Amino acid sequence: SQQGEEDPQALSIQEGENATMNCSYKTSINNLQWYRQNSGRGLVHLILIRSNEREKHSGRLRVTLDTSKKSSSLLITASRAADTASYFCATASGGGADGLTFGKGTHLIIQP
Amino acid sequence: DSGVTQTPKHLITATGQRVTLRCSPRSGDLSVYWYQQSLDQGLQFLIQYYNGEERAKGNILERFSAQQFPDLHSELNLSSLELGDSALYFCASSSQTVYNEQFFGPGTRLTVL
Repeated sequence: SQQGEEDPQALSIQEGENATMNCSYKTSINNLQWYRQNSGRGLVHLILIRSNEREKHSGRLRVTLDTSKKSSSLLITASRAADTASYFCATASGGGADGLTFGKGTHLIIQP
Repeated sequence: DSGVTQTPKHLITATGQRVTLRCSPRSGDLSVYWYQQSLDQGLQFLIQYYNGEERAKGNILERFSAQQFPDLHSELNLSSLELGDSALYFCASSSQTVYNEQFFGPGTRLTVL
């Protein structure tokens, strides 16, 4: 079953704009991870945020986590055509070493 | 490149057949996870092995099985294949720290005809 639900399902923006994707989940988590997938290829790990963290940055990526609302957001600043991909949030429960539960993903299209 | 390798990249077979997918984790990683990605079910966790032993099970069918060998590579065996088993199968590995980042291989695309 899907734990995370990304919103929106699809997003199309102009190059240079910022893209924001949201993820909601249902149960308590140990950590939340964001992945990128280009057109049916492998998943690329972007960032992990622990349940006791509220915000994390990595390059042009900013992730927030609100455990009281069971939600997370991924912000990509100054988007580039190469950012076109599907983005998934994935949650780890229990001790954190379990299999990940993925959302359905947000398909991001960056228009040049 | 995540450091996780999977073979083969593509596999086409017929219903009722059996196939084996192979995964080599990143150097030093003891945990291997298998996932299935299909259009209708999305990405689903199947099974986890840690240092040769089964650690956790997800939505894995009884027709599917896996193992992890002493050299830490893992194999996922799919038998009595059905059309609905057509999917991308991913392997991931992690170092099994408490906050374990999982690194995914490129996947094996299975098509059952």
